[in-house]
Amino acid sequence: EDQVTQSPEALRLQEGESSSLNCSYTVSGLRGLFWYRQDPGKGPEFLFTLYSAGEEKEKERLKATLTKKESFLHITAPKPEDSATYLCAVRSHSGGYQKVTFGIGRKLQVIP
Amino acid sequence: DAGVIQSPRHEVTEMGQEVTLRCKPISGHDYLFWYRQTMMRGLELLIYFNNNVPIDDSGMPEDRFSAKMPNASFSTLKIQPSEPRDSAVYFCASSPDGGTQYFGPGTRLTVL
Repeated sequence: EDQVTQSPEALRLQEGESSSLNCSYTVSGLRGLFWYRQDPGKGPEFLFTLYSAGEEKEKERLKATLTKKESFLHITAPKPEDSATYLCAVRSHSGGYQKVTFGIGRKLQVIP
Repeated sequence: DAGVIQSPRHEVTEMGQEVTLRCKPISGHDYLFWYRQTMMRGLELLIYFNNNVPIDDSGMPEDRFSAKMPNASFSTLKIQPSEPRDSAVYFCASSPDGGTQYFGPGTRLTVL
């Protein structure tokens, strides 16, 4: 069974204080690792897709990286508007069809 | 494009009543997913369709839940009879290729 674990439980940062969120996964036949951002009362919003170890993607203050066992979402010099819940998901292919498994999500709070 | 559209946005019902949630995916997307999100369990995949055909319904909690996709632009998730433990936010998402998903705003269901 595919598993996705996100840490830390919650992250509270001062504005400008860089840090990372972690997503560790166990999956057979990875077909992509996804990062989403979710604001309160809204649906998750797509950020990045990573397919292979060593791959990196960047968008503004966010950078996502991937190894064979985990992914990191690095937040550089965060601003209050980066406050949200960040979810990680893996897509795998087994038993003849694909599966998507989401982590529980971790809340980031950036304090001005 | 208006994005994924879900209705209603909020639903309050009494235990034992039938509940129908509706979803209009993004035009041209071949995949449609239904999720349930709670604080305790996070985002859980209930069922997904490819080209209007249900592919994996292993996440559907029990026979009280059913989902249909009669055409490429409409899907329903029905709960009959509803129970208080079904209270959650239900999301619909669509995808062009089964990878990156685009979520709707969700339906917050409260079963009294």
